[in-house]
Amino acid sequence: GEDVEQSLFLSVREGDSSVINCTYTDSSSTYLYWYKQEPGAGLQLLTYIFSNMDMKQDQRLTVLLNKKDKHLSLRIADTQTGDSAIYFCAESINSGYALNFGKGTSLLVTP
Amino acid sequence: GAVVSQHPSRVICKSGTSVKIECRSLDFQATTMFWYRQFPKKSLMLMATSNEGSKATYEQGVEKDKFLINHASLTLSTLTVTSAHPEDSSFYICSAREGTSGFSYEQYFGPGTRLTVT
Repeated sequence: GEDVEQSLFLSVREGDSSVINCTYTDSSSTYLYWYKQEPGAGLQLLTYIFSNMDMKQDQRLTVLLNKKDKHLSLRIADTQTGDSAIYFCAESINSGYALNFGKGTSLLVTP
Repeated sequence: GAVVSQHPSRVICKSGTSVKIECRSLDFQATTMFWYRQFPKKSLMLMATSNEGSKATYEQGVEKDKFLINHASLTLSTLTVTSAHPEDSSFYICSAREGTSGFSYEQYFGPGTRLTVT
């Protein structure tokens, strides 16, 4: 399948902003998602963005999409220790289709 | 919000035995459920797409005779790992798409099942 790439690890200090980046190759990707996975748990949808949008903000989360470069980012403002988790970028070409996931970025927030 | 449960959450079985994992949508109808497998430090890999009342569609490289999927109702899909081997040890996650028609952008994920084959 098409590739979704993410950096594997990010460490930030509590209170700083975190930026997690993702690139994808499928130009027909229509829906792009960010999921959070805490240790031993399932996936929690954080936010999503349609490919016709450039930005979406939801409280502490800001998603930026550069469709030309096929680059997606998730910014977490005022990062807290509870934000430590693995963050997955995912894409699909249709809302009813299965998701194509990146390998996940492990975010560590230090006090 | 919509809730998807999986049972069991953890299972240990011996090589050669079969294990059934259930995925239930608790408060919505799911015509489509997806089964993923997650390896350590790896992404989730789609195994198969399960549509209620019809045969599952398996991804390339996934043995349908080994990973039996049944989606007998709008709220339940099962994955049976037959004749399990240690290399089948993994974290299995299901997701369910809400609705029978119209737009639904979200898939709801179950909490996952940790399978260990000894």
